[in-house]
Amino acid sequence: AQKVTQAQTEISVVEKEDVTLDCVYETRDTTYYLFWYKQPPSGELVFLIRRNSFDEQNEISGRYSWNFQKSTSSFNFTITASQVVDSAVYFCALSEEETSYDKVIFGPGTSLSVIP
Amino acid sequence: EPEVTQTPSHQVTQMGQEVILRCVPISNHLYFYWYRQILGQKVEFLVSFYNNEISEKSEIFDDQFSVERPDGSNFTLKIRSTKLEDSAMYFCASSERQIIYNEQFFGPGTRLTVL
Repeated sequence: AQKVTQAQTEISVVEKEDVTLDCVYETRDTTYYLFWYKQPPSGELVFLIRRNSFDEQNEISGRYSWNFQKSTSSFNFTITASQVVDSAVYFCALSEEETSYDKVIFGPGTSLSVIP
Repeated sequence: EPEVTQTPSHQVTQMGQEVILRCVPISNHLYFYWYRQILGQKVEFLVSFYNNEISEKSEIFDDQFSVERPDGSNFTLKIRSTKLEDSAMYFCASSERQIIYNEQFFGPGTRLTVL
């Protein structure tokens, strides 16, 4: 079974629209960490955020915001006023206490296209 | 700004050959990782390495794979006898401490093509 599910394979939005990327995870651990990474067309992987399972406070960083809801095992990522430079594949990922947090399990990714 | 580097950027090899992919992590980092990404698919964890030993590995990381930190700077991934399905982009990453404390920095990747 997938530990990290990103149900949206591809999303297209018009520039300046808001977009939310969904992430649902599955774990038996009570302590775990969740991450979002960005992979632009150039191919590199860029860390965006890390959140631990005890911190359910939403986080905002500029146009990016993250909504962590333990009750639904979701860690969704919203981009406000999207820009063409946001076009990329976005991966949600999980790291669990049972692997001493040394193993990162990535979701399948959501490919976001922002159309000018 | 310090960065993780990887060589070569593209490696083409024949099935059954051994390949070594090289990475130079950021100098004060202590945790090292290899991931792979088959074209168009998700990023898959292969192995993590700390204090000169493997700390975690995935099911993909079988006996054909090995990692080594031969000196103070390089971190290598060896595939002993490559298979067609090993064709992928291989990313090295490093972090100063465990990734729950510090950001993980990725290298640009090595594209491995097995013919």
